[in-house]
Amino acid sequence: DTAVSQTPKYLVTQMGNDKSIKCEQNLGHDTMYWYKQDSKKFLKIMFSYNNKELIINETVPNRFSPKSPDKAHLNLHINSLELGDSAVYFCASSHSYRSNQPQHFGDGTRLSIL
Amino acid sequence: GQNIDQPTEMTATEGAIVQINCTYQTSGFNGLFWYQQHAGEAPTFLSYNVLDGLEEKGRFSSFLSRSKGYSYLLLKELQMKDSASYLCAVRPRADRGSTLGRLYFGRGTQLTVWP
Repeated sequence: DTAVSQTPKYLVTQMGNDKSIKCEQNLGHDTMYWYKQDSKKFLKIMFSYNNKELIINETVPNRFSPKSPDKAHLNLHINSLELGDSAVYFCASSHSYRSNQPQHFGDGTRLSIL
Repeated sequence: GQNIDQPTEMTATEGAIVQINCTYQTSGFNGLFWYQQHAGEAPTFLSYNVLDGLEEKGRFSSFLSRSKGYSYLLLKELQMKDSASYLCAVRPRADRGSTLGRLYFGRGTQLTVWP
């Protein structure tokens, strides 16, 4: 069974559209994360939730809105997509943001804006 | 701010040993992680250091010197499948506020292993 799964794997859409990416983890972890990896492979934190509570809200445009309906799910909604949003978005989870247990990553969502 | 530096690219031949260095400057220190990322795939955890010294795990070892803000990942008996990007990530001190729970990643070192 996949530990951290995110859908869709590929997302191709036009500028101005609104889209969502979903993430689920079955590891029983309390903390989940969204990262953005740009074309130069730089992996940067966007958001983190611990047990449905937002704990990290990095400097990200308001067009990006995360939602965590329960601690096993963390979704990312993006409004009014722009060319610069093209990237790979990774979901991750860890036992707790307070512990030094490693983060486990999903396979990524490749977002391409036309 | 946080600054994590590692070489962009390295090459080596099968069977050789390669050392990938990482230097960091962060607001406090609470651990350093190494991840491996194959092209088009998710980063996967390799090793974790929080105390000075060497951690060995099979063909891979990781070293940390906190006083120097320095770590390296040592890969022995290189195989073709080791061709990947290796990411160094630092966890700052988990104070309340802006650094809580964060991992800061370097840009990754793309390792190519030749036959």
